[in-house]
Amino acid sequence: DTGVSQDPRHKITKRGQNVTFRCDPISEHNRLYWYRQTLGQGPEFLTYFQNEAQLEKSRLLSDRFSAERPKGSFSTLEIQRTEQGDSAMYLCASSFVLGKGDGYTFGSGTRLTVV
Amino acid sequence: AQTVTQSQPEMSVQEAETVTLSCTYDTSESNYYLFWYKQPPSRQMILVIRQEAYKQQNATENRFSVNFQKAAKSFSLKISDSQLGDTAMYFCAFMKPNTGNQFYFGTGTSLTVIP
Repeated sequence: DTGVSQDPRHKITKRGQNVTFRCDPISEHNRLYWYRQTLGQGPEFLTYFQNEAQLEKSRLLSDRFSAERPKGSFSTLEIQRTEQGDSAMYLCASSFVLGKGDGYTFGSGTRLTVV
Repeated sequence: AQTVTQSQPEMSVQEAETVTLSCTYDTSESNYYLFWYKQPPSRQMILVIRQEAYKQQNATENRFSVNFQKAAKSFSLKISDSQLGDTAMYFCAFMKPNTGNQFYFGTGTSLTVIP
């Protein structure tokens, strides 16, 4: 297992288009998180899954955003009708349920640019 | 709500010298975890050090140590014998356990180690 993988690494899209990102967590981890990091800011929590169940969504996750984790394995984050304000780094992380934070592993992120 | 404040956007240190990065946080919780994460340019977030709030002893990891002042809600990171590879963005983060284990991050401090 090589860690948390995110695809693509970079995505440039025109405003109004839909985009989808993929995250492959560490296989033993049953929790999967999505964060968004804008320029000059720290990562902000978007949502998390425990196995296939989406247990919490941040208010940052507008109706244009949807995340799935079918079968509790990989996850996808889709943004519909992208806006320039969606430009950010989207980070995925995974962990064990009972982890105390030290078992958290981040991916390298997908950088989205909306033009 | 939890907030994490890093008041030093940028810092620099000479190689082999010591530098301290500041972090304050606000919470009404009594049990929580605090973290320092390192984010090298274009690379994934890496855990540097972790502190459990109920432990009075400051955490240390090789050249990295923290000064945890619970009453003052302060959590600074000291890097001794700075190395060029320490150049990165450093994020202070708070986690409340027994929930979704989501992080609350500060805005980061960009550290440059000068040869």
